[in-house]
Parts: sequence; C-alpha cells; structure tokens
Amino acid sequence: GENVEQHPSTLSVQEGDSAVIKCTYSDSASNYFPWYKQELGKRPQLIIDIRSNVGEKKDQRIAVTLNKTAKHFSLHITETQPEDSAVYFCAASTGTASKLTFGTGTRLQVTL
Amino acid sequence: SAVISQKPSRDICQRGTSLTIQCQVDSQVTMMFWYRQQPGQSLTLIATANQGSEATYESGFVIDKFPISRPNLTFSTLTVSNMSPEDSSIYLCSGYRDTEAFFGQGTRLTVV
Repeated sequence: GENVEQHPSTLSVQEGDSAVIKCTYSDSASNYFPWYKQELGKRPQLIIDIRSNVGEKKDQRIAVTLNKTAKHFSLHITETQPEDSAVYFCAASTGTASKLTFGTGTRLQVTL
Repeated sequence: SAVISQKPSRDICQRGTSLTIQCQVDSQVTMMFWYRQQPGQSLTLIATANQGSEATYESGFVIDKFPISRPNLTFSTLTVSNMSPEDSSIYLCSGYRDTEAFFGQGTRLTVV
C-alpha cells in the first residue's frame, strides 16, 4: 500500500519567514495530494491540494509543488504569522473520493 | 462547506465495555471513512464504509473489534468493542464533498 513520509517533524520559524514542509510517497498511482492544518483539539482542515496533472498551485501565502518523477510534494508558507502555528499533515490518495494515507505530521511554530 | 456532526465529542469508558460513535453528514456521501489518531500522532485509516455492503478494513483492524454500520448515505457508526486502555485515542469520521475530504470534530476516547 501507499506510504507517505513527511519532514521535518517540527519546524520553528520567526514571524515573516517562510516555512517549507516536504513529503514523499511510494505509490506511483497516487494522483491527489491534499494538505491539512490541525490546530490543537480541532479537526483537520484542508488548506490546499494538488492533482498529479499540475506541478504547482498557489493560494495567497500558501503554495504546493509536486514532482511526480521523484514522488515528492512540498508545502510552502510565506510571510508566516503566529496563527499559522499548528500541525500540518500531507496526504495522498489514488482516486477521487478515495481513502487518504497521511504523513506523520509537522508541528510548525511561528515565533514573534 | 459540508458538515459532519460527530458524537460523542469525548467519553471516558471502563475497560471491557463498548462505545458507539455516530457521524451524521448534512448531505449524501458515497463513502465514509473512519480514522484513528493517537495522541500526538498522525491519522490512521481504520475502515471504509459503503452503504449496503460490509466495510473494508485496513490491515491491523478487524470487524469484531471495530464494527461499522452504514444504514444510509448520510449516517455511519463505529463501535469500539471490548475496550482496553490501548484504544484510548481520537476517532474521526470523514466524507467527501466534490473532491474535498472533510472531517467530523472527533471523539476523544479514554479507557480506564
């Protein structure tokens, strides 16, 4: 089955700096790669996603890049703010409305 | 965005007992997914629930321990049976609206 690795496990940045979180996947059939933000005690919330026919997608301060050949994708957050502090999970799936395999999570802390 | 109401939000149970978690979606979804998230960990898929057929369980999870019902396209239940302290975790249900997976608020289960 699919295996998703995520690095780093923790990331501390100063407010205004950029943060990058990287994931690799094993199943070449995976074609959907969402990113979730989970604040303490809350449910995961989708922040951005990308499909395998696209190499990059951007939404304001958040961007995701995908390298299908290398089987890795990354989350980029620019101009970080304290409210970006949370745990971020990458995930992969092989089809529309299919089960997700999650990465191990990255705890991002944005300090003032 | 779509809404899943999950209950109970938390419970403390005695070992050897069972707890049934309910998820109600505000619109029809073809498949629902049940995940477990142990403290400080990622989300692990327990099973996929389709209406009218038996749930599909992931490796390491069995129907006798985690029976699932899916009586219609807006509702599902997960039962955690014969609980032990190792079952203490957060349990989340999930469904898709279009291509986006959304989650219930989770059930925090403590087994004593």
